[in-house]
Amino acid sequence: TQLLEQSPQFLSIQEGENLTVYCNSSSVFSSLQWYRQEPGEGPVLLVTVVTGGEVKKLKRLTFQFGDARKDSSLHITAAQPGDTGLYLCAPSKAAGNKLTFGGGTRVLVKP
Amino acid sequence: DTAVSQTPKYLVTQMGNDKSIKCEQNLGHDTMYWYKQDSKKFLKIMFSYNNKELIINETVPNRFSPKSPDKAHLNLHINSLELGDSAVYFCASSQRGLGEKLFFGSGTQLSVL
Repeated sequence: TQLLEQSPQFLSIQEGENLTVYCNSSSVFSSLQWYRQEPGEGPVLLVTVVTGGEVKKLKRLTFQFGDARKDSSLHITAAQPGDTGLYLCAPSKAAGNKLTFGGGTRVLVKP
Repeated sequence: DTAVSQTPKYLVTQMGNDKSIKCEQNLGHDTMYWYKQDSKKFLKIMFSYNNKELIINETVPNRFSPKSPDKAHLNLHINSLELGDSAVYFCASSQRGLGEKLFFGSGTQLSVL
């Protein structure tokens, strides 16, 4: 099983502030996915990063894949209450076709 | 139309009972999954079916039995429910060969009393 560690576990910030969450592993991944899960709902895919060093932007969200393809980060600029949720990372293609999710980072953006 | 739908949304039952959760996807995907999310929000895969065939069976008690009557449906039956089974269960689907992007249902919150 490819272990993914996410940090921090919980982050509470005020609307308008910036935040960064991390997804780290000792394994190399061909690609990595980020999901957001809102309360009472299932996770929804935000982005897939594929190339080492790749940076992808989704409005105020910036995703980066580490050069060595072992880690990734998600940066949110000027966070809004709608960004509140559980952010999960997972490898796109894992051994045995499993998707082993990281433990997630709970983000709370207060108005 | 909801892409992946699971029922019921909430399930409250007594220890020892048997219950089922149903899941249907209208995306035409080949692969379906059951995940369990515990109170700490850790999401773990339980089972995966591809075209009605079981391909992933994690270390899950035998009391849990998935059934896939066709590739659009994957149901989960749980016998002799225990307190530790309380969690949110998510059904998901994916089209293999497309980077394993998962589409999740909205979850079934199971509470065993």
